[in-house]
Amino acid sequence: EPEVTQTPSHQVTQMGQEVILRCVPISNHLYFYWYRQILGQKVEFLVSFYNNEISEKSEIFDDQFSVERPDGSNFTLKIRSTKLEDSAMYFCASSRGQQETQYFGPGTRLLVL
Amino acid sequence: EDKVVQSPLSLVVHEGDTVTLNCSYEVTNFRSLLWYKQEKKAPTFLFMLTSSGIEKKSGRLSSILDKKELFSILNITATQTGDSAIYLCAVEYGNKLVFGAGTILRVKS
Repeated sequence: EPEVTQTPSHQVTQMGQEVILRCVPISNHLYFYWYRQILGQKVEFLVSFYNNEISEKSEIFDDQFSVERPDGSNFTLKIRSTKLEDSAMYFCASSRGQQETQYFGPGTRLLVL
Repeated sequence: EDKVVQSPLSLVVHEGDTVTLNCSYEVTNFRSLLWYKQEKKAPTFLFMLTSSGIEKKSGRLSSILDKKELFSILNITATQTGDSAIYLCAVEYGNKLVFGAGTILRVKS
């Protein structure tokens, strides 16, 4: 069964450094998403992406964040200058259509020191 | 502000018990409600509900939506230790999911 995959599974970085989190969505899916979950808190929406454009973003997704689909398979989330409060589990998700089920990847645990 | 509220926050039961998890929502432009199971990492999809009163069933799990009263329930019958997890309710609107805080279920053998 096709799955969303994410790399790396864990990343530790110093405050102020740039990080790139990678995702490979399910191959016939057209909509892509990033969510994050700070330890002990709710899963929060960051951004949705369709047709090489951001379709919606949350207040969390400020100028420090960007997303890209650099090729036909990868979907990346970049944090330009990480802050301590960016420490969280970051989930990528994809769906076939806009009102269809979103399937989640295993997540990348980011720790900013 | 749109919100999704789950209850109870946590629950401990014995194997074989039946549990009911609740999810209420206040979301404008509601499209669908989804249930996910979260074990160690990724939320795993269980159900998507769009219509009131139609039960969705998968093995020992079932779920139903009430769009008039704005809530959904997830039932698990004959619980097993492998059902221990966090159960997340999420409501879809726009291009995103809004999640509740989850219900932590622990099934003791």
